[in-house]
Amino acid sequence: DAEITQSPRHKITETGRQVTLACHQTWNHNNMFWYRQDLGHGLRLIHYSYGVQDTNKGEVSDGYSVSRSNTEDLPLTLESAASSQTSVYFCASSESFEGTEAFFGQGTRLTVV
Amino acid sequence: GQNIDQPTEMTATEGAIVQINCTYQTSGFNGLFWYQQHAGEAPTFLSYNVLDGLEEKGRFSSFLSRSKGYSYLLLKELQMKDSASYLCAVMDSNYQLIWGAGTKLIIKP
Repeated sequence: DAEITQSPRHKITETGRQVTLACHQTWNHNNMFWYRQDLGHGLRLIHYSYGVQDTNKGEVSDGYSVSRSNTEDLPLTLESAASSQTSVYFCASSESFEGTEAFFGQGTRLTVV
Repeated sequence: GQNIDQPTEMTATEGAIVQINCTYQTSGFNGLFWYQQHAGEAPTFLSYNVLDGLEEKGRFSSFLSRSKGYSYLLLKELQMKDSASYLCAVMDSNYQLIWGAGTKLIIKP
């Protein structure tokens, strides 16, 4: 069965360190997204990609970067982790836009100390 | 700015019916989605509305009024497993999903 997986599921890191969160999907979807979810907020879009070599900034992209070298993977990098980046991160993919559901990974809980 | 409003928390009784409302103000409209999210898990798709009216899918129904910027999710014959957060999201004119903060639904026996 097709799926979307994130790793690690939990991570604790120190302020200032570079951190990379992995996202891998076997749906063969062109669209991939990274969101963060914090209490009291809806999912907020960090970065997204509509295909290989395509990346775009979302609503809360400062301090984050992504790269898309193949269809399956969209790793999210925190350049220099800050306490404000403590959150739950979700990766998602979708086949197209209108009317198509997004499939989400299980999430990565990141704590920056 | 763009805004999605939904109640923070609701409580209902097992076997009953509950309606979760969502109002929105967005730059354009290309459909409204409802997702279910159990605690500690990923959101999963429930429904999609792009035209006015009611879409029924088993125990769950979703209604849309574009002129009022309003939707609701109706859950019938509530079961304990329906205890979860319900997320409303609108696709704007740029095909970006704008998400509400979610409604935590508590089901009591």
